[in-house]
Amino acid sequence: DQQVKQNSPSLSVQEGRISILNCDYTNSMFDYFLWYKKYPAEGPTFLISISSIKDKNEDGRFTVFLNKSAKHLSLHIVPSQPGDSAVYFCAAPWAGSNYKLTFGKGTLLTVNP
Amino acid sequence: DVKVTQSSRYLVKRTGEKVFLECVQDMDHENMFWYRQDPGLGLRLIYFSYDVKMKEKGDIPEGYSVSREKKERFSLILESASTNQTSMYLCASSGLWTGRLTDTQYFGPGTRLTVL
Repeated sequence: DQQVKQNSPSLSVQEGRISILNCDYTNSMFDYFLWYKKYPAEGPTFLISISSIKDKNEDGRFTVFLNKSAKHLSLHIVPSQPGDSAVYFCAAPWAGSNYKLTFGKGTLLTVNP
Repeated sequence: DVKVTQSSRYLVKRTGEKVFLECVQDMDHENMFWYRQDPGLGLRLIYFSYDVKMKEKGDIPEGYSVSREKKERFSLILESASTNQTSMYLCASSGLWTGRLTDTQYFGPGTRLTVL
């Protein structure tokens, strides 16, 4: 049973526009969420995170929003740039785990010049 | 900067061969992880280790084993490689989880393994 879901396998946006990547989760015990970015033939790199006590966290062009009642989070990239083209994974630590993360299946973002 | 290195970027092996994938981290992290990434399936945890000589199974441990004899090194072993183990293998490490927003796993560059 996948506890973190990214239902859009791909997203295509124009350079300069907003990219919105979505993630849903089922376990209300998650208290922390992370986004990773992955280029082909490279390992994922940490992008931004949010604690469940917040509803928003911003870092430059990247903002993550958390809606706990809907069990939904989203990553906004404004403005989108061609270098943002990558696969984006959302993840959450397993409750009570030793720092294991459960990942969504990822969304491939393509930013067109 | 945290550095996680993997022994090979690309590897081609034959069915039935024993395959070793090595991972080394330089940040004295307690936790180390092995994942595989396949199209449409995301990142799936194979095994992880929270201390030297300690290991726990992840979601898909079948056909794999691991070894952690030193804190900085975590090896993934395919006892008898099969074609369905063709995949991208990613190693990661992390320190103790403190609940801070900087807690994260750090990934290596990956090994693209092809089993013929």
